[in-house]
Amino acid sequence: DGGITQSPKYLFRKEGQNVTLSCEQNLNHDAMYWYRQDPGQGLRLIYYSQIVNDFQKGDIAEGYSVSREKKESFPLTVTSAQKNPTAFYLCASSIVPSGLYEQYFGPGTRLTVT
Amino acid sequence: QQQVKQSPQSLIVQKGGISIINCAYENTAFDYFPWYQQFPGKGPALLIAIRPDVSEKKEGRFTISFNKSAKQFSLHIMDSQPGDSATYFCAARGTGKLIFGQGTTLQVKP
Repeated sequence: DGGITQSPKYLFRKEGQNVTLSCEQNLNHDAMYWYRQDPGQGLRLIYYSQIVNDFQKGDIAEGYSVSREKKESFPLTVTSAQKNPTAFYLCASSIVPSGLYEQYFGPGTRLTVT
Repeated sequence: QQQVKQSPQSLIVQKGGISIINCAYENTAFDYFPWYQQFPGKGPALLIAIRPDVSEKKEGRFTISFNKSAKQFSLHIMDSQPGDSATYFCAARGTGKLIFGQGTTLQVKP
């Protein structure tokens, strides 16, 4: 059963702590993406990776970090430097980084920081 | 230049009616315009997409109308059903990434 797995579905952390969100895909896709979703603001790109061991900042990368050591995995760390980390985080992947493509999304992780 | 503006923010339609969501963009280099559908607590899923060399694309009850000169595109949902109640996002592809609109929450009343 191919797809994108994000875990956990809900995550709670205390302010000042770093937290890592997991994203795994078994679609053999080259590109992977992290988005943040807030009410009324659509999906905003945090980081994306078109190939293993390479990634680029998106529009709102400050306070976040990523790694891409394996094709299947693209974990996102929300650091204590992120001022408003409470949000719904979505991971996506696509077959081809450029050209016409479809992005497949995971089910998301809702992070609450208090 | 990199923005996609979507309207309305929310929409209520009676069952059987037509739902219309509009998007506008500035960057003429955008070359792919998908629409995504998202149910509460789930990730978005591709609904329908269009390239700028086509003025209309229809898939079942869903139609994208594209006006290249006006830099606008819209999603029409014909015979709207309660099961269509969801959040809809338009997007545009530029420089290897998608830029999303703000989203429209659609409620179809029975």
